[in-house]
Amino acid sequence: DAGVTQSPTHLIKTRGQHVTLRCSPISGHKSVSWYQQVLGQGPQFIFQYYEKEERGRGNFPDRFSARQFPNYSSELNVNALLLGDSALYLCASSQPDRVYGYTFGSGTRLTVV
Amino acid sequence: EDKVVQSPLSLVVHEGDTVTLNCSYEVTNFRSLLWYKQEKKAPTFLFMLTSSGIEKKSGRLSSILDKKELFSILNITATQTGDSAVYLCAFTSGTYKYIFGTGTRLKVLA
Repeated sequence: DAGVTQSPTHLIKTRGQHVTLRCSPISGHKSVSWYQQVLGQGPQFIFQYYEKEERGRGNFPDRFSARQFPNYSSELNVNALLLGDSALYLCASSQPDRVYGYTFGSGTRLTVV
Repeated sequence: EDKVVQSPLSLVVHEGDTVTLNCSYEVTNFRSLLWYKQEKKAPTFLFMLTSSGIEKKSGRLSSILDKKELFSILNITATQTGDSAVYLCAFTSGTYKYIFGTGTRLKVLA
């Protein structure tokens, strides 16, 4: 079975631009979460979606938005990029009971120049 | 504010050594504590602990949770170079998010 897949793997953008990151969860997983991991820090929660509805949002500005599609894949959008948005963006999926914790994808490395 | 503190921040040992990684937390509504191993990009799940005093074990790795003293430890015995990674501790306080510590960077020398 395929794990959580994210695309692209690497991305370089200029300040002020917009970026869209994509995530496909493990088959059968209906919950998708997004995390931002800045170098040297632990992942920070951005969003969780379950059954296409936003279940929770972390302490991130409105420039960050996300959505989940009927096939449970998800997009994370970031507008008006800042240098500080440079990070590894991780997507995770889970079963509703989350007994075994999230399964993370390999992430998208975003560099803003 | 909920927070997780991991110690030490980094650790260098030799193959065969035993290491203990620490995770303390302050949360308003604790549900579970998790350990992940992050080698390059994707954190991989190690353990989830919800009950105090119960040890979870997988091969050379084991973990225990103390809900009274609000900490958890991760032990790795007979370390190998493949154990070199960042070990992340996280807790869940609600139904939807994990709060991670900054991690402990472990390097195992041959």
